[in-house]
Amino acid sequence: GAVVSQHPSWVICKSGTSVKIECRSLDFQATTMFWYRQFPKQSLMLMATSNEGSKATYEQGVEKDKFLINHASLTLSTLTVTSAHPEDSSFYICSAPRRQVAFFGQGTRLTVV
Amino acid sequence: GENVGLHLPTLSVQEGDNSIINCAYSNSASDYFIWYKQESGKGPQFIIDIRSNMDKRQGQRVTVLLNKTVKHLSLQIAATQPGDSAVYFCAEKDYGQNFVFGPGTRLSVLP
Repeated sequence: GAVVSQHPSWVICKSGTSVKIECRSLDFQATTMFWYRQFPKQSLMLMATSNEGSKATYEQGVEKDKFLINHASLTLSTLTVTSAHPEDSSFYICSAPRRQVAFFGQGTRLTVV
Repeated sequence: GENVGLHLPTLSVQEGDNSIINCAYSNSASDYFIWYKQESGKGPQFIIDIRSNMDKRQGQRVTVLLNKTVKHLSLQIAATQPGDSAVYFCAEKDYGQNFVFGPGTRLSVLP
């Protein structure tokens, strides 16, 4: 069964609105979670590392004000895409390490219209 | 990551044949490697892992080989089945908790 749950699995939103994606670790605590973005037919691109109780660490080129990350508890990290634009349309995936193995959520397909 | 943004190479194999998917990793300090399988529209799933102190590890129908000299990793799938069709990623981990993913290979199983 899934050890990391991501919600929603897909979302369509209008340009200018914000969208929140949740990532939950099931049956284990994760002080660190990772957020990835994946374009069609491409590999996973790390966007940021979410740290419980402290600020997220963003990869170079990722706008922290655009992609807000909150890791308020040991089992939940959220990614909010603010003022979404069509170019933000993508597949977003979270992961959480458990005993050194990174387990992934189901992914969220975001379409901005 | 170093290998992001590349388009996926494709491997086509006949059902029942063995598949070999290759991966070159970049960091000689990486000490742990994982192969993931990603089906369309889903997140990656763990297949098999290997530590840098090993050169081979076997699972059910899958074998991972590690050659640290040339920084090469391979995934062998025995008796490939239609359900094996997916994109396969290798991932390397160094001293931190983050994994760096390879560009991925699309495996297509022909009937």
